[in-house]
Amino acid sequence: DSGVTQTPKHLITATGQRVTLRCSPRSGDLSVYWYQQSLDQGLQFLIQYYNGEERAKGNILERFSAQQFPDLHSELNLSSLELGDSALYFCASSYSRAGVGTDTQYFGPGTRLTVL
Amino acid sequence: LAKTTQPISMDSYEGQEVNITCSHNNIATNDYITWYQQFPSQGPRFIIQGYKTKVTNEVASLFIPADRKSSTLSLPRVSLSDTAVYYCLVGASFTSGTYKYIFGTGTRLKVLA
Repeated sequence: DSGVTQTPKHLITATGQRVTLRCSPRSGDLSVYWYQQSLDQGLQFLIQYYNGEERAKGNILERFSAQQFPDLHSELNLSSLELGDSALYFCASSYSRAGVGTDTQYFGPGTRLTVL
Repeated sequence: LAKTTQPISMDSYEGQEVNITCSHNNIATNDYITWYQQFPSQGPRFIIQGYKTKVTNEVASLFIPADRKSSTLSLPRVSLSDTAVYYCLVGASFTSGTYKYIFGTGTRLKVLA
């Protein structure tokens, strides 16, 4: 158990809908990262927040957005869902921001999103 | 932006040493290299991390040559439970003040009895 929690574990929805995925980082961690894992694209970095502020941005679609709240939990919002958005979504957390010391990311168990 | 490539799959027998290489030929100066293990439908699990030369912990060793364009994860005496997919992750790459994280393509290790 990494200490990172994600809810829900599974999510099934229809095309065009909007969903919210939630992540709680390990106690004391200030950074939260979101990744998407699909069969054809592998593990893709979406976005990172550090202490409430966006810190890094990867291959995140404009239909997707995220935020980190004052209690440091994070939410990933996916809207206008398409079939191709079906994937595993992982959250990770680390103590520091990118590039500072040994910034090891610890991953949660993931949310499996199925878009029908 | 760093690109990372790994062999698609490897087979090994129990008790053997396994070496998995990741190529990151455009790694930035500040990037760390981290290796993860992933079982089906689970999150990646941290194995080891390094910046240069050699790092060893209780489960693996990580070798990074001087040019840092590749890294090798070494798993001593693998067992059946080590059957999993192994990923390298290149740490932050600085582009116009922003950070990126690039996972390798993943190596599917199968350990045979």
